[in-house]
Amino acid sequence: GENVEQHPSTLSVQEGDSAVIKCTYSDSASNYFPWYKQELGKRPQLIIDIRSNVGEKKDQRIAVTLNKTAKHFSLHITETQPEDSAVYFCAATLRNTGNQFYFGTGTSLTVIP
Amino acid sequence: NAGVTQTPKFRILKIGQSMTLQCTQDMNHNYMYWYRQDPGMGLKLIYYSVGAGITDKGEVPNGYNVSRSTTEDFPLRLELAAPSQTSVYFCASSGTGGPSAFFGQGTRLTVV
Repeated sequence: GENVEQHPSTLSVQEGDSAVIKCTYSDSASNYFPWYKQELGKRPQLIIDIRSNVGEKKDQRIAVTLNKTAKHFSLHITETQPEDSAVYFCAATLRNTGNQFYFGTGTSLTVIP
Repeated sequence: NAGVTQTPKFRILKIGQSMTLQCTQDMNHNYMYWYRQDPGMGLKLIYYSVGAGITDKGEVPNGYNVSRSTTEDFPLRLELAAPSQTSVYFCASSGTGGPSAFFGQGTRLTVV
């Protein structure tokens, strides 16, 4: 099955700086890569996703890049704000097959005001 | 617009007791999932279902059971609760051709 590794496990940045979280996956058949944000005590919520036929996707201050050849994808948050502080999870799956979403172990991001 | 609803939100069980975690979704999603999340860890898949009447094991199925008699409901059954089952449980659903999984609010279970 798929194996998703996520780094770093913790990340602290100053407000206004950028944050980058990286994930690698093992199954070249995976074709859909969502990112979730989980605030303390809350449910994970989708913040951005990317399909394997796209190399980059942006949504305001967040962006995701995908390198299919190297089997890695990254989350980029620019102009970080204190409300960006949360745990971020990457995931990989084979879309539309009902396959399980394979999650990374999470990155705890702290934005220091 | 309820989305995915889980009950209960909190529960304390004694070792050996049984319980059912309820999950229902109103988005007509085919795919439903149960995950557990241990402190500081990622999400581990327990069971999943691709449609009514079809279920399959995930990564950590031991000690759990599921059923999917309708599209909307996907209950998770714990038999003979053990301390190792202390965790936060999340139900999720996703639709064919739709976006990624939507999560319920979670059930915090403690086995003492």
